[in-house]
Amino acid sequence: SQTIHQWPATLVQPVGSPLSLECTVEGTSNPNLYWYRQAAGRGLQLLFYSVGIGQISSEVPQNLSASRPQDRQFILSSKKLLLSDSGFYLCAWSARGGGVTEAFFGQGTRLTVV
Amino acid sequence: LAKTTQPISMDSYEGQEVNITCSHNNIATNDYITWYQQFPSQGPRFIIQGYKTKVTNEVASLFIPADRKSSTLSLPRVSLSDTAVYYCLVGEPLSGGYNKLTFGAGTRLAVHP
Repeated sequence: SQTIHQWPATLVQPVGSPLSLECTVEGTSNPNLYWYRQAAGRGLQLLFYSVGIGQISSEVPQNLSASRPQDRQFILSSKKLLLSDSGFYLCAWSARGGGVTEAFFGQGTRLTVV
Repeated sequence: LAKTTQPISMDSYEGQEVNITCSHNNIATNDYITWYQQFPSQGPRFIIQGYKTKVTNEVASLFIPADRKSSTLSLPRVSLSDTAVYYCLVGEPLSGGYNKLTFGAGTRLAVHP
């Protein structure tokens, strides 16, 4: 069966510090991968998605970047965190195929920038 | 782009049936409609998916009219544990048949005793 791992679960970082959140998927190949952010009490905002190794599409220009060094590994990074980067970050994967909208989410990382 | 529109919030009482409607006027021919449930501090969880007419599983039913420009998630006999945010999602095919999943704001359902 497929599983998705996301870590860490919580993170407190000072303003200006770097960030690296990692997500890995097991039990599937060639997944679409996604990074979402959710501010408190708000909906999910799509940050990045990837359809293959090294292929990253950004939805919202911001202080973050993403990379996909391996087929089932997706990394969210920042060189210098801002207070506005605080939020709940979720990694997800979906199988490839037109029309398929079932996504599987990790447990999320709650990031607080202080 | 296949965008969705849902009510921001709904209230219900235990034991009642809840129907949440989502509008997706620009749905594409190959798009499926999927609903997710999210509890606080957790990732969304798949509830049900459909293409047309009616789909039913052990959790919910999904009604999709012939024009597919809307869909209705039906939760039978809700309980307090059904209090959550419900998202309607329409697949957005990219070139090559891949999908970019875009969530709307969701509907915050509150179930009261």
